[in-house]
Amino acid sequence: NAGVMQNPRHLVRRRGQEARLRCSPMKGHSHVYWYRQLPEEGLKFMVYLQKENIIDESGMPKERFSAEFPKEGPSILRIQQVVRGDSAAYFCASSPPLGQGGYGYTFGSGTRLTVV
Amino acid sequence: AQTVTQSQPEMSVQEAETVTLSCTYDTSESDYYLFWYKQPPSRQMILVIRQEAYKQQNATENRFSVNFQKAAKSFSLKISDSQLGDAAMYFCAYRSTPQGGSEKLVFGKGTKLTVNP
Repeated sequence: NAGVMQNPRHLVRRRGQEARLRCSPMKGHSHVYWYRQLPEEGLKFMVYLQKENIIDESGMPKERFSAEFPKEGPSILRIQQVVRGDSAAYFCASSPPLGQGGYGYTFGSGTRLTVV
Repeated sequence: AQTVTQSQPEMSVQEAETVTLSCTYDTSESDYYLFWYKQPPSRQMILVIRQEAYKQQNATENRFSVNFQKAAKSFSLKISDSQLGDAAMYFCAYRSTPQGGSEKLVFGKGTKLTVNP
């Protein structure tokens, strides 16, 4: 039973390019969450999605950032026109609905984005 | 909004000894979940232990146990018989129940634990 799969593990982009981060949740999990971790910081919530729906995007920057979780395929976090301040580790987590099977998340290994 | 505070940026312990990591949180909710996550240098976030606020009994997982003081809004992690593999960043986290309206985790800034041989 594969865990949460994130790719790529490392991503280098030049300023102004687009970054696409992918996340495949655990089998049976319908909830996906994206978090960002800056150096020496804890994880900060960005967005919570279910299939084809954004449930909570209160942590997403207003510009350049978007997320989707289509009916088929992985969840995508897209950062347009990246800047140096976007350099961070981006984590995806998945969970079943809280009433079905527990209340814990399973995290992926993260994507480290470096903007040069 | 809920907040989580970890007041110890770094801690160290001798191998085989016991160490306690502190965590306090702020919430107006009466029911919620609390977690401790471990992040080794590999960056993987690993769930160490979890606690449901309505349960008075402190959670225990092998060498890991918590001291949950609901009235004080305190949730400390005790690691017994520390091992070299316990060296990592440890994050305390809070999650509302579905009735609370938000399913996101709120994290503290972490405590870096060093285990000395």
